[in-house]
Amino acid sequence: EIVLTQSPGTLSLSPGERATLSCRASQSVRSSYLAWYQQKPGQAPRLLIYGASTRATGIPDRFSGSGSGTDFTLTISRLEPEDFAVYYCQHYAGSPMYTFGQGTKLEI
Amino acid sequence: QVQLVQSGSELKKPGASVKVSCKASGHSFNVFGITWVRQAPGQGLEWVGWISAYNGDSNYAQNFQGRVSMTTDTSTTTVYMELSSLRSDDTAIYFCARSEPLIGESLIYWGQGTLVTVSS
Repeated sequence: EIVLTQSPGTLSLSPGERATLSCRASQSVRSSYLAWYQQKPGQAPRLLIYGASTRATGIPDRFSGSGSGTDFTLTISRLEPEDFAVYYCQHYAGSPMYTFGQGTKLEI
Repeated sequence: QVQLVQSGSELKKPGASVKVSCKASGHSFNVFGITWVRQAPGQGLEWVGWISAYNGDSNYAQNFQGRVSMTTDTSTTTVYMELSSLRSDDTAIYFCARSEPLIGESLIYWGQGTLVTVSS
């Protein structure tokens, strides 16, 4: 079973700064099955990025994803106040089966 | 548009069972599967399992094997998740979600979540 490890656990930044979140897989995964989600308190997760680098509909272009193999990155170029949330990476392994990283909390 | 509407909060005693519903609308029900994900208080997301609305095939996470059962009712376009032998650590918000095959089976549509509290 693939394990996704996200780092850092918590990232403290200010509005306007750049955020870089990491997701490392325990073995190589297909980029087409790697996604990122944003979750705010009391809400369901929201799909941000699929296929490792494609923004979902309606997601601002300050969000970008990159990576391949075992190392993936979510970058938020200029933080807006509404971006402070928890971010999860996720891998689809077929069968179907899903694995989530443990999350990165982005705080002010 | 696609909507997933879940049943309301539940309070159960240890050892009991709970059945959570997820009513789907806005898409062809029997074309897609429904995934269940749970989130314990202050914790991350945990995949529970998946069921096909086409033929009822299912796949459950190993942690829940033997305790979880997912079913569908095509007449009401509703998917159910039943979890038995409840323990205090099953206290969590349970989400249903639908993936989109064209985007790598990413979970693009989510229900609002159902809080299940297990307490004596």
